[in-house]
Amino acid sequence: DAKTTQPTSMDCAEGRAANLPCNHSTISGNEYVYWYRQIHSQGPQYIIHGLKNNETNEMASLIITEDRKSSTLILPHATLRDTAVYYCIVRGYTGRRALTFGSGTRLQVQP
Amino acid sequence: SAVISQKPSRDICQRGTSLTIQCQVDSQVTMMFWYRQQPGQSLTLIATANQGSEATYESGFVIDKFPISRPNLTFSTLTVSNMSPEDSSIYLCSVGWTASTDTQYFGPGTRLTVL
Repeated sequence: DAKTTQPTSMDCAEGRAANLPCNHSTISGNEYVYWYRQIHSQGPQYIIHGLKNNETNEMASLIITEDRKSSTLILPHATLRDTAVYYCIVRGYTGRRALTFGSGTRLQVQP
Repeated sequence: SAVISQKPSRDICQRGTSLTIQCQVDSQVTMMFWYRQQPGQSLTLIATANQGSEATYESGFVIDKFPISRPNLTFSTLTVSNMSPEDSSIYLCSVGWTASTDTQYFGPGTRLTVL
């Protein structure tokens, strides 16, 4: 699975969009980009995943660049409850293997 | 998505003792995984719990220290044996990669403190 690089921490004002970047320059054609978040001391929560098209669900949007070497998770209207560690994970679709977590981005939403 | 419960949610144990953590899923799943999260760290995979066969352990984790059972497709246990303070962590059960879901879901975790 390709390695990912994320900023260690970010701040965002409540009500504004939070844009969390992820670099995965060695991603290969069959690897998906997954995003999870972990609110303090809870189990990680699945947010969204995609291959090459932009994806949107009720929680967030995922924008993947055309060359697929980076992506951005967008929380359109951040709230205090969105304060968490956000993990970007790249994983091949084949094989029943567990996700490998990096260190993630600690997002602090400020009132 | 799968609903996963873990017992206990937290425990404080004495060094040298063992603790068994239970993971229950509300539907049958093929793949179950156990992770450890040490204080201030990210998640590390301990093992994949295989139904009907021995668990597959990651480098650095051994069966004698972390025995795992998987008696059926909805239940698994992880035992932390002969505990030391270094075993103080959150232990997380995870399931996924089923015919109806192409991702993983996580339980709430078990917070273990070893004195």
